[in-house]
Amino acid sequence: GAGVSQSPSNKVTEKGKDVELRCDPISGHTALYWYRQRLGQGLEFLIYFQGNSAPDKSGLPSDRFSAERTGESVSTLTIQRTQQEDSAVYLCASSSRPGDEQYFGPGTRLTVT
Amino acid sequence: QKEVEQNSGPLSVPEGAIASLNCTYSDRGSQSFFWYRQYSGKSPELIMSIYSNGDKEDGRFTAQLNKASQYVSLLIRDSQPSDSATYLCAGNTGNQFYFGTGTSLTVIP
Repeated sequence: GAGVSQSPSNKVTEKGKDVELRCDPISGHTALYWYRQRLGQGLEFLIYFQGNSAPDKSGLPSDRFSAERTGESVSTLTIQRTQQEDSAVYLCASSSRPGDEQYFGPGTRLTVT
Repeated sequence: QKEVEQNSGPLSVPEGAIASLNCTYSDRGSQSFFWYRQYSGKSPELIMSIYSNGDKEDGRFTAQLNKASQYVSLLIRDSQPSDSATYLCAGNTGNQFYFGTGTSLTVIP
């Protein structure tokens, strides 16, 4: 079956602009995670969605970051007023249920100039 | 603070040898553990999961978990140059996953 997909694969934006990143999880997966990975660094947890429960936003680095998910489908991560330090690869992962194995999408490489 | 720690390496082994990757974790409540492989410029790819004490084997890979020592390891037998990558260890407590920063492995032909 289809894996996790993300779009766009690459995004170059000017400092101060808003960007929206999209994630399509594996069909039937109830849990969805967003991570950030800076060059040469580990994975930084951003936000977690589980079904219709309130999301765990504890990893969002500032109020410029927000994310939405409709039911158990697509999720969007929005970064407002982008800064150069936002440059990173943003990874989305889904799992069939909380705590189960996560499967990652290919990521969106964001470059803020 | 819940943490997963790995030796960043780099770890180099000759082709055909056994590569041993190690990970320790701080939260005794962690229930499940996962090993991911990440090639340069690519996203993490799940290799194995392990939930109970002992060994779990899958092909050339063996994961080992010791909850008393809070220690997880991954053995790669008959290492191949294609195994050269960064290996991430992750632990799970409830809904949260905690990733290590990864160990870089190079298999020398």
